[in-house]
Amino acid sequence: GEDVEQSLFLSVREGDSSVINCTYTDSSSTYLYWYKQEPGAGLQLLTYIFSNMDMKQDQRLTVLLNKKDKHLSLRIADTQTGDSAIYFCAESIRGNNRLAFGKGNQVVVIP
Amino acid sequence: DGGITQSPKYLFRKEGQNVTLSCEQNLNHDAMYWYRQDPGQGLRLIYYSQIVNDFQKGDIAEGYSVSREKKESFPLTVTSAQKNPTAFYLCASSIVPGAGETQYFGPGTRLLVL
Repeated sequence: GEDVEQSLFLSVREGDSSVINCTYTDSSSTYLYWYKQEPGAGLQLLTYIFSNMDMKQDQRLTVLLNKKDKHLSLRIADTQTGDSAIYFCAESIRGNNRLAFGKGNQVVVIP
Repeated sequence: DGGITQSPKYLFRKEGQNVTLSCEQNLNHDAMYWYRQDPGQGLRLIYYSQIVNDFQKGDIAEGYSVSREKKESFPLTVTSAQKNPTAFYLCASSIVPGAGETQYFGPGTRLLVL
């Protein structure tokens, strides 16, 4: 079954790197996503990775996927105050028309 | 300017009342979704629709109803049977249903009970 877990809270100083972690249970995941949610807003797609990839880099964002441990991480380089938000990881499953979301990780950037 | 719109931004419901949340998209997406978000619980799927005139229940469909008469529109009705409706409701759409199709989200509607 689908079960996505995330830790709840992370604080980081402006300019430092932040790493958000996520674990998932379904080995038939095809795509894994990272979404960002600012207060009172909808979810904004940040990036995604196909399950046969180990890493994807997109400007300040680096996604690492460890398929053996079913572990996904998002690294944000040079964290800025605008990065303060809740970050959700999600997985899509082959043959399933749905996404399974984690509970989100609140990131607070300290100036 | 393409995207997903939800209205209203805030909605107040009296006890025993049905209320309808609007979701419209001009992205020409086939699939649309409704999620409920409660603090600390992430997103839970209420209903989804893969094509016009068809929809399926998600994980928490009780107390909700939907319709999909037009490709662009997927309204959600919160009925009086939903005893704890206070939450943030998010609508999403994707090009086609299925694994690998990225979902794009609207700005959300916050429902509060008077």
